[in-house]
Amino acid sequence: GAVVSQHPSRVICKSGTSVKIECRSLDFQATTMFWYRQFPKKSLMLMATSNEGSKATYEQGVEKDKFLINHASLTLSTLTVTSAHPEDSSFYICSARDSRVTETQYFGPGTRLLVL
Amino acid sequence: GIQVEQSPPDLILQEGANSTLRCNFSDSVNNLQWFHQNPWGQLINLFYIPSGTKQNGRLSATTVATERYSLLYISSSQTTDSGVYFCALVDYKLSFGAGTTVTVRA
Repeated sequence: GAVVSQHPSRVICKSGTSVKIECRSLDFQATTMFWYRQFPKKSLMLMATSNEGSKATYEQGVEKDKFLINHASLTLSTLTVTSAHPEDSSFYICSARDSRVTETQYFGPGTRLLVL
Repeated sequence: GIQVEQSPPDLILQEGANSTLRCNFSDSVNNLQWFHQNPWGQLINLFYIPSGTKQNGRLSATTVATERYSLLYISSSQTTDSGVYFCALVDYKLSFGAGTTVTVRA
């Protein structure tokens, strides 16, 4: 149990385009999902906390108009990187909190974004 | 903010060796988690351990909350143990350490 999927696993796009990444909890309901960014050989940096049915809470320094987050259901959150630029290239990881076990987070496999 | 320090930053092991990874933290902890990030980037929950000792196969973890540290033990290491090991403090959000990169050589 407690499986989180992400789609796509890898995406290459041109500068100026937008990219949507989906995060799904497959076998549990996730009232809260988290989006992280990870640079090569670095730790995970929390970008935002996504609560179902409400606006996401962004960490300091993260542009909310650049990284649009939608959490429309208990099993799906999406991150859209708008007008992507090469500096947005990174590994994006989502996690989902199992609402039955309030503190446990389960992580998706990540999405590698390369902006040319 | 909460400071989480992990040591060593890098560890190279011969297959079959044992090792200990350390996580120091600056604040009292509600809970602490250990993760393994495999070479493909997937984060796997290892332990959820606010205090005491837990074991799962060749891995075990001990957290001494009063002294603000946690240890992860890897015994009889295998090449599949390679990757990055993170500890993270749990307080609604996760505060990650910088990680220990483990390379197990055959």
